[in-house]
Amino acid sequence: DAGVIQSPRHEVTEMGQEVTLRCKPISGHDYLFWYRQTMMRGLELLIYFNNNVPIDDSGMPEDRFSAKMPNASFSTLKIQPSEPRDSAVYFCASTSIGYRSYNEQFFGPGTRLTVL
Amino acid sequence: RKEVEQDPGPFNVPEGATVAFNCTYSNSASQSFFWYRQDCRKEPKLLMSVYSSGNEDGRFTAQLNRASQYISLLIRDSKLSDSATYLCVVKFNDYKLSFGAGTTVTVRA
Repeated sequence: DAGVIQSPRHEVTEMGQEVTLRCKPISGHDYLFWYRQTMMRGLELLIYFNNNVPIDDSGMPEDRFSAKMPNASFSTLKIQPSEPRDSAVYFCASTSIGYRSYNEQFFGPGTRLTVL
Repeated sequence: RKEVEQDPGPFNVPEGATVAFNCTYSNSASQSFFWYRQDCRKEPKLLMSVYSSGNEDGRFTAQLNRASQYISLLIRDSKLSDSATYLCVVKFNDYKLSFGAGTTVTVRA
C-alpha cells in the first residue's frame, strides 16, 4: 500500500517567493494533518482537516500560511511570501477514525524547505 | 510551560544495555499516550501506545503514571538499530497530538 505522499521532497527558494507543498493522504483516511519540525521548536501541528474541512488552524503561524483540501486525496500548504524563518521540515500525516491502532497517525516523508 | 517535556539526552549506551527515559505532560485531562520513533532525517513512526497498566512490546516497556503525569520507556538488550529519537506523544480530547521534543538514543557497538 502506498503511504502518505508528499511533494516536493526538497525545496529551496528565496525570501518573498510563494511556496506550495503538496500531500496525498492514505486512501480511506478521513483526517489529514500538517506539521512543521524545527530544531528549536520540535514538531508542531499547524492545521488539521476532517473530511476535507479544516477543523483547527490555531497552529498556523500567521496569515502568510494557508492550507486547503479540495478533495479527499489532495491537500496543499502554501506560504506567501516566504521568509527565512519558515525553513523547516513540513510533514503531512493522515489517519482514520475507525483505525484499529488508537488513532495512529501515518506521516509522509516530509518536505525539507529552505528559504534563503 | 510546554505541554510535553522530555530529557533530550543523548543517551549513549553499549549494545545489550538497558536504557530508560521519561517524559512529563502538563494536561491532567490527557487521554491517550504514545511513543513514536524518528530516525535521522525520516518521518516519525508509531512505536507503541502506552496503556494505564503498562505494556510491553518485545524489548520495549512503556509505563504511565497518571498521578505524577509522566510516561516512561525502557529498552532492554539494546541493538544498534534502536539508535533513534524517541518522541513522547500525548492526545487530549480529539485528534490533536502533542509531541515532545524527543530523546536521542545512540547505541554503540
